[in-house]
Amino acid sequence: AQSVTQPDIHITVSEGASLELRCNYSYGATPYLFWYVQSPGQGLQLLLKYFSGDTLVQGIKGFEAEFKRSQSSFNLRKPSVHWSDAAEYFCAVGGASGGSYIPTFGRGTSLIVHP
Amino acid sequence: KAGVTQTPRYLIKTRGQQVTLSCSPISGHRSVSWYQQTPGQGLQFLFEYFSETQRNKGNFPGRFSGRQFSNSRSEMNVSTLELGDSALYLCASSLDVGPNNEQFFGPGTRLTVL
Repeated sequence: AQSVTQPDIHITVSEGASLELRCNYSYGATPYLFWYVQSPGQGLQLLLKYFSGDTLVQGIKGFEAEFKRSQSSFNLRKPSVHWSDAAEYFCAVGGASGGSYIPTFGRGTSLIVHP
Repeated sequence: KAGVTQTPRYLIKTRGQQVTLSCSPISGHRSVSWYQQTPGQGLQFLFEYFSETQRNKGNFPGRFSGRQFSNSRSEMNVSTLELGDSALYLCASSLDVGPNNEQFFGPGTRLTVL
């Protein structure tokens, strides 16, 4: 069975500091990996995704993530955090089932940004 | 282009009642998926529809059902509501099925069961 672990429930950073959110997954084959962001009262927005190829993936809003197969990790990074980045971040893993995609989400990491 | 819309945004029901939630996908999108988000269980996949057919279903009891119409709009129904059904229900649409098709999420319907 596929699973995702986001070890950090909350992360607090100062504005302008770098950020790394951790994600570890369990999946039997090459996984499809995603990072989403959810602002209060909003749905999820896709930040980036990895299917294959280059293990360093660039996303929107200045985010990037690196797929490390040996560590079963897909950590999200940003070199300089802005106050508007405060939100809930979800890592998801999934595989294809009959051509569809059934995702499993991590429990989320809440990012708090101090001025 | 308008985003995914969900109605109603907020709903209060009592145990034993049933509820129907509606989702209008982005124009041209033919796939609609539903998710339940709770503090205790996190985000969980409910089901996926494409061309009026349910393609996948998550691990939820039969009280949870859905359907998709010819215009791709989708509804989900929960019968015999339980307190534990209180959650944010998210709908997501995509052009087609498969992980290569980005899912666009609506703002959700907040269901409270008393």
